Amino acid sequence: EADIYQTPRYLVIGTGKKITLECSQTMGHDKMYWYQQDPGMELHLIHYSYGVNSTEKGDLSSESTVSRIRTEHFPLTLESARPSHTSQYLCASSARQGYGDTQYFGPGTRLTVL
Amino acid sequence: RKEVEQDPGPFNVPEGATVAFNCTYSNSASQSFFWYRQDCRKEPKLLMSVYSSGNEDGRFTAQLNRASQYISLLIRDSKLSDSATYLCVVTGGGKLIFGQGTELSVKP
Repeated sequence: EADIYQTPRYLVIGTGKKITLECSQTMGHDKMYWYQQDPGMELHLIHYSYGVNSTEKGDLSSESTVSRIRTEHFPLTLESARPSHTSQYLCASSARQGYGDTQYFGPGTRLTVL
Repeated sequence: RKEVEQDPGPFNVPEGATVAFNCTYSNSASQSFFWYRQDCRKEPKLLMSVYSSGNEDGRFTAQLNRASQYISLLIRDSKLSDSATYLCVVTGGGKLIFGQGTELSVKP
C-alpha cells in the first residue's frame, strides 16, 4: 500500500472562501501531481512538481495554485472557491522504478462549493 | 484527437466471461504503458505495467503493439470483484497520460 494522504476527505464550503487541500507522502518521492476528476469523467492533470521549489501547470487550466516547500508535502490552494470548482481532487506521487513512473494516488478530496 | 483513447463502455458481462479492452495512443515516443483500475468514487490503483513482449498476471493479460500504437487488456474468468473502470495510461512529456477509462460491470 502506498503512503500518500489527503485531507480533508470531504469538504463543503461556501462561495468566496479560501481553501487549501493537503497532500502528504512518506515515500520520499520527488514527483507529485494534482488531478481533477468529475464523476464518471477522466482524470485531468492540473499541477505537478518534480521536486522541492519546482511546480508546473498541467494540461487542464486551473485557478488553483500549489507549492512544494518540502519533499513530502504538496498543498493545493484555491483563493476564492466557486461552484465550478466542485469536483474530486486526487493527489499522486511517483518515483522511477526501472520501468517508467508508477504513480500512487491518495484517497482524494471531494470538494463541494455551494 | 485525444492522446489516449479507450473503448467506450460500459461492458456488461456475466461472471466467468472473458473480456478484452482496447486502447490506442497517439504519441509514438511514449515509452511506458500501464493499466490502472479505479473503483467507483475511489482513487486509481496500478493494475499492471504493459511490456513489449506482453505480460500476464493471473487472470489478466496485457499486450502492447508499438507499431500500431495499441494496448490491450484481457480478463479471463471475470469475477464480480472485477467490476470497476479500467484506465489505459501511457507516458508522455515526462507525465502520465490517462485514457477516459472503460467501465466493466460483471453480473452474477
